[in-house]
Amino acid sequence: EVQLVESGGGLVQPGGSLRLSCAASGFTFSSYWMHWVRQAPGKGLVWVSRINSDGSSTSYADSVKGRFTISRDNAKNTLYLQMNSLRAEDTAVYYCARAAAGNWTPLNHWGQGTLVTVSS
Amino acid sequence: EIVLTQSPGTLSLSPGERATLSCRASQSVSSSYLAWYQQKPGQAPRLLIYGASSRATGIPDRFSGSGSGTDFTLTISRLEPEDFAVYYCQQYGSSPGITFGQGTRLEIK
Repeated sequence: EVQLVESGGGLVQPGGSLRLSCAASGFTFSSYWMHWVRQAPGKGLVWVSRINSDGSSTSYADSVKGRFTISRDNAKNTLYLQMNSLRAEDTAVYYCARAAAGNWTPLNHWGQGTLVTVSS
Repeated sequence: EIVLTQSPGTLSLSPGERATLSCRASQSVSSSYLAWYQQKPGQAPRLLIYGASSRATGIPDRFSGSGSGTDFTLTISRLEPEDFAVYYCQQYGSSPGITFGQGTRLEIK
């Protein structure tokens, strides 16, 4: 069974940093592209970032470019999102999601999310 | 960036009725790289439809998707109580990444 478990969320002050992790199991992690998607309280889904299967290619939404860094450790079956210079508008539940295969495929498995709150 | 606009914002129907949800793209979606997701309160989204019309694993056949180019539709043929949720369309065929529609809330009338 595919499982994705996010961790690392919490309360952080504006301008601060946080690193999210997503532990994957039940599939060959190194074969799949992975994504981060966020959802502000009461709002819709917003794509944040994606990384290819070997970590050599990444993409970001304009709203986080230059502040967030996606990475992965295929030996540890773990996806990461390093978030710097956090703003109030980054407050959201952050989901990691697995693509069905490579690029140009939908997100067919999701974690339960971790809440990030940016507030003083 | 491709912008997806969903309509209506809220749809009020009764169990047993047919639901039709719309998703319009600001430009053509490549090779029908269009998906639909269902999200219930406190839960992660679930993939329903991909490639505009293919059902994901385990999705009941009362859910169907159609459309191409810039206009797409999700149809639920006969609503079950568990179908009342928020539905999002998503395109995954353009760079730099994925975009979602703003969602349609399907509520019990």
